[in-house]
Amino acid sequence: AAGVIQSPRHLIKEKRETATLKCYPIPRHDTVYWYQQGPGQDPQFLISFYEKMQSDKGSIPDRFSAQQFSDYHSELNMSSLELGDSALYFCASSSEAGTGLNNEQFFGPGTRLTVL
Amino acid sequence: GIQVEQSPPDLILQEGANSTLRCNFSDSVNNLQWFHQNPWGQLINLFYIPSGTKQNGRLSATTVATERYSLLYISSSQTTDSGVYFCAVEGRGSTLGRLYFGRGTQLTVWP
Repeated sequence: AAGVIQSPRHLIKEKRETATLKCYPIPRHDTVYWYQQGPGQDPQFLISFYEKMQSDKGSIPDRFSAQQFSDYHSELNMSSLELGDSALYFCASSSEAGTGLNNEQFFGPGTRLTVL
Repeated sequence: GIQVEQSPPDLILQEGANSTLRCNFSDSVNNLQWFHQNPWGQLINLFYIPSGTKQNGRLSATTVATERYSLLYISSSQTTDSGVYFCAVEGRGSTLGRLYFGRGTQLTVWP
């Protein structure tokens, strides 16, 4: 079965640089979520999109922005990178967020971002 | 947000042993999921279980929503079961959709 695809899998950046992470949800899934997992931490919700509209926003820095495109893929844009942004970034997708029913989220393999 | 507490934080077992992991949550939830994070960092879906009991091979889970807890049972553990087990809940209302994670249970299974 098709899974959530994320690219790149690994990314190394310098401080103050920018980064773009991409997410391709499972086919026919209409909702995308972004989570950040710091070293030794649990994943923390950043932002979500339902039918290409932002549906919820968590503890996402103002330096980060995201969007969902017409083909449902999503991109997380990160600017002025800081050392503390080094983390594993997950994208997840689901198909029933709008109804609140059967909203099982499936996670991609993650993008490991290292900021030097 | 919803508080999710998992216990124990660490668990060390010998291959073949059984274990029970617990997840308590502070408020009514729409959904609950259990994940296994393997050593490569991937989050593997184990159960989607807002209520009731489910079984999948050596793993089973029970959620008692009215009492705000869920249990994950691992029987006849294997070394490949090692990793971190996360419980995550989906809130109701304005935070519908986002998952709140517990801090996980780090499981180590020795041969």
